[in-house]
Formats: sequence, C-alpha cells, structure tokens
Amino acid sequence: SYELTQPSSVSVSPGQTARITCSGDMLAKRYARWFQQKPGQAPVLVIYKDTERPSGIPERFSGSTSGTTVTLTISGALIEDDADYYCYCAVDNTWFFGGGTRLTVL
Amino acid sequence: EVQLVEAGGGLVQPGGSLRLSCTTSGFTFSRAWMTWVRQAPGKGLEWVGNIKFDGNEKYYVDSVRGRFTISRDNAKNSFYLQMNNLRVEDTAVYYCAKIFDDSDGYWGQGTLVTVSS
Repeated sequence: SYELTQPSSVSVSPGQTARITCSGDMLAKRYARWFQQKPGQAPVLVIYKDTERPSGIPERFSGSTSGTTVTLTISGALIEDDADYYCYCAVDNTWFFGGGTRLTVL
Repeated sequence: EVQLVEAGGGLVQPGGSLRLSCTTSGFTFSRAWMTWVRQAPGKGLEWVGNIKFDGNEKYYVDSVRGRFTISRDNAKNSFYLQMNNLRVEDTAVYYCAKIFDDSDGYWGQGTLVTVSS
C-alpha cells in the first residue's frame, strides 16, 4: 500500500527558510502537488508538477524533487505563511494526500 | 473564474443517508474529471473519490467503497456524492474539487456532514 509521509510540524522565525518534505515510493514516477490550508479555509494550490508555481503564488514558494522525496521550500517565510501544508499524488487510479505539516512562523 | 459550490451537508444519524451536490462554473465541466475530498475535524485531507468526465469511470477510497457513490449531470454542470450507511467516522467537511489534472487546484468552500445519534 502506498503512502506519503510528511513531518507533522516545522517551525521557523519570520524571514527564515522553511523546508517541508514529502516522501513516498510513488514520487519517483509521479508528479506531486502542494496545497496550503489555513484554518476554516479551503486548500490553495501552491506548487504543481513538483516544481511549478501557479500564477498568483509568491516567488518565495518553490518545489524540488529528488528520488522518492519532494520538498516545498518557503524562502523568507512570512507570518501569513503560517498554515498546514499537504502534498498530493496519484498512482494506480488512487489519490493520496500526505498527513500534513503544520508550519509555524513565529 | 472557476467556481465550485457544495450543498447538502447536515446532521444525520448513523446508518442514515445524505446526498451532497456540487455546482460548478467557469470551465468546461463535461471535459473534467471531478473529485470529492473530506477532512475530519482537526484531521488532514482525505481523498474520497473521482469521477471521469463522462461518468463511466469512478474510483473510491477503500473506506467508502460500496457505501458512497459519485455521479454527475453534465447538463447541469453538477456532480454528486450519495452517502449511504453513514458512520460516525464519516463526520467531516466534504469538499468538491477540480484537482485531477497535474496543474489543477480548484476547491469548493466545503460542507459539513455530522454523523451522530
């Protein structure tokens, strides 16, 4: 059975670089996406196809990949980036979310 | 502008049924795979299932297969989640979403389903 593994929490101070990883065998062959979710709100796409940034997403958000791990990097994190982040991938007609990472910017 | 609006959530007893709907606009619905995702209180996102643009293929997470059914009406730009034999653990905010393609990331605002006696 496939799964995507993320750290449960990451903490950084404002202006520092935050890195959130997502690991899973499927990531070696499939693209991943990253969603940001703030309390009481629907998720927002921040990275797709491992490294692409949708229009309207700030340049401080970037994605990278290496083997079975993808990484979301927020360079110079802002207080407003404090949120939950989920990776997302599909394999064999089944879609998976990672368990989510609580990013605290404080 | 892509928009998705859910409706139909509410309180239901264990073993009961509920039908959620998602009305869409801003894209060619009849060419889009659509998705339901849920989020239990204080928990992470969970993919529930997908439906192909013509309704001929549907995929579900193991925990709902046989109890939940996704359908669509392309003439109404809408799709649905019929939930039968509901369990307490199905309590969640249910989101409809257009997130099938690699660059997609559109979500509704969510509708709360509470299963409780």
